[in-house]
Amino acid sequence: NAGVTQTPKFRVLKTGQSMTLLCAQDMNHEYMYWYRQDPGMGLRLIHYSVGEGTTAKGEVPDGYNVSRLKKQNFLLGLESAAPSQTSVYFCASSYVSYNEQFFGPGTRLTVL
Amino acid sequence: GESVGLHLPTLSVQEGDNSIINCAYSNSASDYFIWYKQESGKGPQFIIDIRSNMDKRQGQRVTVLLNKTVKHLSLQIAATQPGDSAVYFCAERGSGGYNKLIFGAGTRLAVHP
Repeated sequence: NAGVTQTPKFRVLKTGQSMTLLCAQDMNHEYMYWYRQDPGMGLRLIHYSVGEGTTAKGEVPDGYNVSRLKKQNFLLGLESAAPSQTSVYFCASSYVSYNEQFFGPGTRLTVL
Repeated sequence: GESVGLHLPTLSVQEGDNSIINCAYSNSASDYFIWYKQESGKGPQFIIDIRSNMDKRQGQRVTVLLNKTVKHLSLQIAATQPGDSAVYFCAERGSGGYNKLIFGAGTRLAVHP
C-alpha cells in the first residue's frame, strides 16, 4: 500500500494564478482532510469529506475549494492564489471517527 | 518541511535519557487524543492515542498520560534515540462528529549524543 500520496511536492505560483492539489489514498478510508501548516503553528483544517460526493468547511476554508468525486481522491483547489496561502499543505485520511488520521508527505506551495 | 518548528519550544535531551513532552488541551469535553511525530520534510506520523476513559496507555518505548482534571497530556519516550529527534504534536478530538482533530503548535525534541 502506498498510503496517502500527494501531488505535486512543490509548487511556486504567482498571485492570481490557480492550481489544484491532488490527494490519493489506497486504504479505502471514508474520511479525508486537507490541512495547512504554517511556521510555529499547528495544523489547521481547511476542508474535509466524510464520504464520496460530500465536502464540508473546516477552520480556514476561505480561498479554497475541494471536490471528492471518487472515494480515493480528494482535490484542493486555489482559484486565485494569494501570498497568504504560502504554506505546506497536508492531506490526511481516516477510516471512521476514533481512528488515527494518516497523513501524506505534504505539498510546499509558495505564492509570489 | 524545513520551516516547521520555527519558534517552537525545544526539549534537549541526551541519548539514552527519558523524554517527557507536555501538552495542555483546551476542551474538557474532548474524548480522544493523539500524539504525532513529524520529521523534517515529512508528514505527521501517528505515535500513540488514548481515549478519555483512560489515564495511561503504553506502546513500544512510549507512554501517554492523560490528566483530565487539569486538561494535560504528556508523552514519555524511554531511552531516547537520535531517531526520535522531530517535532511532536498533540491533538484532541473536538465535537463535530467527523473526527475533527485540533492540533497543538508542537514541541521540538533534540537528542544529543
